[in-house]
This record gives sequence, structure tokens and C-alpha cells, in this order.
Amino acid sequence: QKEVEQDPGPLSVPEGAIVSLNCTYSNSAFQYFMWYRQYSRKGPELLMYTYSSGNKEDGRFTAQVDKSSKYISLFIRDSQPSDSATYLCAMNNNAGNMLTFGGGTRLMVKP
Amino acid sequence: KAGVTQTPRYLIKTRGQQVTLSCSPISGHRSVSWYQQTPGQGLQFLFEYFSETQRNKGNFPGRFSGRQFSNSRSEMNVSTLELGDSALYLCASSLGRRGSSYNEQFFGPGTRLTVL
Repeated sequence: QKEVEQDPGPLSVPEGAIVSLNCTYSNSAFQYFMWYRQYSRKGPELLMYTYSSGNKEDGRFTAQVDKSSKYISLFIRDSQPSDSATYLCAMNNNAGNMLTFGGGTRLMVKP
Repeated sequence: KAGVTQTPRYLIKTRGQQVTLSCSPISGHRSVSWYQQTPGQGLQFLFEYFSETQRNKGNFPGRFSGRQFSNSRSEMNVSTLELGDSALYLCASSLGRRGSSYNEQFFGPGTRLTVL
């Protein structure tokens, strides 16, 4: 079993929908939680990071971390076709730059 | 500010050969990390270099090695290539500051390696 599990999708939604992306993890030592977006033929780019439990909002994006359930979420409001990409969750256990990634969820937002 | 660059972008090799990939980090970044991305295993951490020293290492065989030069540029080498080494190899650079586990990592576009 992988340390970080993520539904691969694909997840197809109409433009303007609210999107919910999720990851579960097993390592209770994880402290930092990140969401990356990866377009085809590109490297991942950081969307948001959260330290420990709680919520964080940035524009149309909201990240939530529930450490008691070992569950993290990314919500995208008013989704746009340009949001179509693979979304990767990643976690860090205070060991520097060694990130553990989920397998990624492919999101398609249809006009 | 220029981003992370990786060369070459595409490579085709045959089993048993070796390959060297190159990564130039963002100016001022001293940490370079390497990741392997495959459809089956996703993104997996290979190793991190900081100030020419390996600082962290993932769970990969010794055929995978790397080094970092004094200008922070890094190379990754894979010897005795196997079919399963076909993947997108990504490098990420960061400031690499100690004392804080959050260092935003900026990824390059990757090198697509195909082993035949």
C-alpha cells in the first residue's frame, strides 16, 4: 500500500462547477501538505501548501487538512477549462525536500 | 528570472546503456532534487543535493547516482539501463534553507527517457 493514495480519475466537470480533489495518507509524521498542478508535457507547479491541520484559501482554491483523519482536500470554485490538468498532492515529514506524492488526479473541465 | 532547465528533453537508449541527465537550477538556489515519474508509480523521490553534497536519498538502486557542481548545476546518471527505467525524470530546485522544512520546489519540464 502506498503512503499517499489519490483517486486517478479522470474527473470530468462542466465549467463553473466546484471541484473536490482528495488524498489520504498513512504516515502520521507528515507535517507539510502541498498541492501541485501539472499540465501535459510540463513539470508540476505549486498551487498551495498548508502546515499541519486547517484550511487555507487562495483565490478560487481552498486547501483543507484533517490530520486526525489523515485526509487532505483541494477545492476549486468556478472551475475553468484552463484548470484541466493533473493535480498532485504531496507531503513532507520535516526531512527537507523529500516530498512524497500521490499518484495524481486528472481533471477535465468542459466548456 | 529563468526557470529550472533540463537537458536533453528527450532521450532514447537501449538496455544496458548508461545515461546522464542535466539540470540547471534557478539562480541562487542551492538545492536540487531529482524525481522519477511513471504512470504506475507516480512521482518518486530519487535524491537531493545541496552545496555539492547528497542530503537525502530515496529508495532506488545504486544504478541511480547524481552529483552537484559548485555552480549548483546537477547531473543524474543511470547505469545499466533497464526497460523499467523508462520515465519522465524531473528536477526541482529550491533555496534549501535549513531549519524550515518548507522550501518551495520549482520543477523543470523534465527529461523523457525511453529505454528500448
